[in-house]
Amino acid sequence: RKEVEQDPGPFNVPEGATVAFNCTYSNSASQSFFWYRQDCRKEPKLLMSVYSSGNEDGRFTAQLNRASQYISLLIRDSKLSDSATYLCAVTLDMRFGAGTRLTVKP
Amino acid sequence: NAGVTQTPKFRILKIGQSMTLQCTQDMNHNYMYWYRQDPGMGLKLIYYSVGAGITDKGEVPNGYNVSRSTTEDFPLRLELAAPSQTSVYFCASSYPGQGNEQFFGPGTRLTVL
Repeated sequence: RKEVEQDPGPFNVPEGATVAFNCTYSNSASQSFFWYRQDCRKEPKLLMSVYSSGNEDGRFTAQLNRASQYISLLIRDSKLSDSATYLCAVTLDMRFGAGTRLTVKP
Repeated sequence: NAGVTQTPKFRILKIGQSMTLQCTQDMNHNYMYWYRQDPGMGLKLIYYSVGAGITDKGEVPNGYNVSRSTTEDFPLRLELAAPSQTSVYFCASSYPGQGNEQFFGPGTRLTVL
């Protein structure tokens, strides 16, 4: 089993749709969790941290489920500009998922 | 602040050649990292450093070396380039007190022929 696994994607959704990504991790001692956004041929940039109680930033909601060892990212009212690859990161041992590609279409 | 800068942006090497990828950060971050990203894949940690003079291996350290003589600089050395090292290399830095959010440089695209 991989250390950090993500939904394989790609996700192709229409504008305005709600889309959710999951990311599972194998190390139960992991402490910090993040979602990064990576545009084509660019570096990853932090989208949001994931807190134990869940957190929201505008159209984006992140959740952590320690019992089942996964984190999730929900994007509401998708915009064309949300098209990117989304990487989850588990930073006890600096592991990144392979990323999920999202394409939002008109 | 320039953030994390990397040079060069692109490089083509022949098998067996050596080179150093440069990484500098001006945010006074203690932690620095080197990752490689193969096409369609996630980031794999090569080496990391928690402070000047301290370095540790990551998930895929073979074929690479690093040094950390200052807080700002964290160069990555390839001694004998191999085609398997063709990848995009990202340097990152973080400050543990800020939740360990990592800031990435723009990357170096390396091709070994």
